[in-house]
Amino acid sequence: GENVGLHLPTLSVQEGDNSIINCAYSNSASDYFIWYKQESGKGPQFIIDIRSNMDKRQGQRVTVLLNKTVKHLSLQIAATQPGDSAVYFCAEGHNNAGNMLTFGGGTRLMVKP
Amino acid sequence: DSGVTQTPKHLITATGQRVTLRCSPRSGDLSVYWYQQSLDQGLQFLIQYYNGEERAKGNILERFSAQQFPDLHSELNLSSLELGDSALYFCASSVGGRPNSYNSPLHFGNGTRLTVT
Repeated sequence: GENVGLHLPTLSVQEGDNSIINCAYSNSASDYFIWYKQESGKGPQFIIDIRSNMDKRQGQRVTVLLNKTVKHLSLQIAATQPGDSAVYFCAEGHNNAGNMLTFGGGTRLMVKP
Repeated sequence: DSGVTQTPKHLITATGQRVTLRCSPRSGDLSVYWYQQSLDQGLQFLIQYYNGEERAKGNILERFSAQQFPDLHSELNLSSLELGDSALYFCASSVGGRPNSYNSPLHFGNGTRLTVT
């Protein structure tokens, strides 16, 4: 795949289990955070976002948690499926920087059938 | 399908050459962004255009330039190519280009893989 050369931390989970992907961000002044999923051969795909004044947001099978005290963001995927296998990136943005995002290094999620 | 179209999908060229990557944003999106994804550095922001004008600049080399045309498509020009320029180049688009962009997420194309030999 396109990301095979990236030196990424890898999370391996059994199909049906819950996955938790973590991200440490750097800018305490960031106004919002976004999780992207990147499948092999494709561009990053928006999953879910959260404002800095929130600590939790839920989507379909996904939950994002934000801990501003320790500058930590997590993405929880419920009942992980083989189609969830991808590289996951967190990104942080600032309202005064338009849509310019700063991306984290990514985590590879591998789902075992 | 994100609605963002990038061409070509693959490009192989030699050092010292110049290439042009093309991006068509989603219908209605005014902003175009270029990102570079290399093996050891993840996604790096290069440059943003909003409605034809440069809006923000990131880690873009002087050998690289971009523009956004009246029909809102964008081109990224890479010149005097070096081996280290080999990477995936992504274009993304969004409706807005102004602050408070929480509700205007980026939509990425599938990238152009550039290989410099």
